[in-house]
Amino acid sequence: EPEVTQTPSHQVTQMGQEVILRCVPISNHLYFYWYRQILGQKVEFLVSFYNNEISEKSEIFDDQFSVERPDGSNFTLKIRSTKLEDSAMYFCASSRLAGAAKNIQYFGAGTRLSVL
Amino acid sequence: AQTVTQSQPEMSVQEAETVTLSCTYDTSESDYYLFWYKQPPSRQMILVIRQEAYKQQNATENRFSVNFQKAAKSFSLKISDSQLGDAAMYFCAYRQATQGGSEKLVFGKGTKLTVNP
Repeated sequence: EPEVTQTPSHQVTQMGQEVILRCVPISNHLYFYWYRQILGQKVEFLVSFYNNEISEKSEIFDDQFSVERPDGSNFTLKIRSTKLEDSAMYFCASSRLAGAAKNIQYFGAGTRLSVL
Repeated sequence: AQTVTQSQPEMSVQEAETVTLSCTYDTSESDYYLFWYKQPPSRQMILVIRQEAYKQQNATENRFSVNFQKAAKSFSLKISDSQLGDAAMYFCAYRQATQGGSEKLVFGKGTKLTVNP
């Protein structure tokens, strides 16, 4: 069964460094998402992406964050200058459709980002 | 803004018994979707069951069923004949149904389910 794949599973970085979290969505999916979960808190929506542009973003997704689909298979989340409060589990998701009952978002296993 | 509340941080159940996980939500929309996702340790979240708000009939998927009370804004998950493999974190989630509207999922904090042999 097709899966959303995220790499790495755990990323450790120093405060102020740039990180890129990588995701390979399911191949025939058209809509892509990033969510994050700070330890002990809710899973929060960050951004959705369709047709090579951001379709929606949350208040969390400020200028420090960017997303890209560089090669038609990968979907990346970049954090330019990490802060301690960016430490969280980051989940990538993809879906084939939008705006329909059958739009199911499939999630990856997540990347745990630790900012020291 | 929509919110989802899961009031049980942890639950436990004996193997083969039945357990119910609670979820309440708040929205001013009349049409929306509700989901239960399961996340085993170190694994991806997988969809367990979904409910369309305009459908009065409660969704069922094998041993998993929901009790959807639209007026009370309640969406509980019942797991029957619990198995060891059901042990996981369970997340309740909401999504708008408005055409052209937001596709984002709004999650609760999750309930950690332990299944005792």
